Amino acid sequence: DAKTTQPPSMDCAEGRAANLPCNHSTISGNEYVYWYRQIHSQGPQYIIHGLKNNETNEMASLIITEDRKSSTLILPHATLRDTAVYYCIVRLNYGQNFVFGPGTRLSVLP
Amino acid sequence: GAVVSQHPSRVICKSGTSVKIECRSLDFQATTMFWYRQFPKQSLMLMATSNEGSKATYEQGVEKDKFLINHASLTLSTLTVTSAHPEDSSFYICSASAGNGYTFGSGTRLTVV
Repeated sequence: DAKTTQPPSMDCAEGRAANLPCNHSTISGNEYVYWYRQIHSQGPQYIIHGLKNNETNEMASLIITEDRKSSTLILPHATLRDTAVYYCIVRLNYGQNFVFGPGTRLSVLP
Repeated sequence: GAVVSQHPSRVICKSGTSVKIECRSLDFQATTMFWYRQFPKQSLMLMATSNEGSKATYEQGVEKDKFLINHASLTLSTLTVTSAHPEDSSFYICSASAGNGYTFGSGTRLTVV
């Protein structure tokens, strides 16, 4: 079973920031938080991952709470092409496969 | 960045025939690859772990004789759906480890008629 819970769906206005929450209250100390997204009929695309510290790359920012029990993925300026299912996954950095939950279906609206 | 190529992207086959799906790591070597299946409006479900040079490890409920996996080289794993039936129609996706994360193929849409 997935070790994360996410809202099933969210809407966001184009050009605004999209904030996608994820709860992972049972995360262990050496497990990372990964975010992937899947655009319809494509394979999952890596977005970002982190352990404790907040992370930022060209796609998004990842904010992890101090107790690591939850995190938020931030798309700073959502575009229509960001419409996808976003998956939050926790796993050890090596060896384990990814266990996908239902994810959050983000709809970016014009 | 690391690229995983999956072929074909879509295939239609007749019931009872076999279909082979290829997963290649283009610019890195992958001792382990994973095969997932995704039914409409559902999430990805792991089917099996493909290990180079050894037998694949199948998840509970996945028939190893029906879903044959071969990982003969560090850059290629194949999944063969044998004696396909309409209920095998699904989106099949492979992934391989590249650095800290995993790269996924673009998926194969299998339709069995």
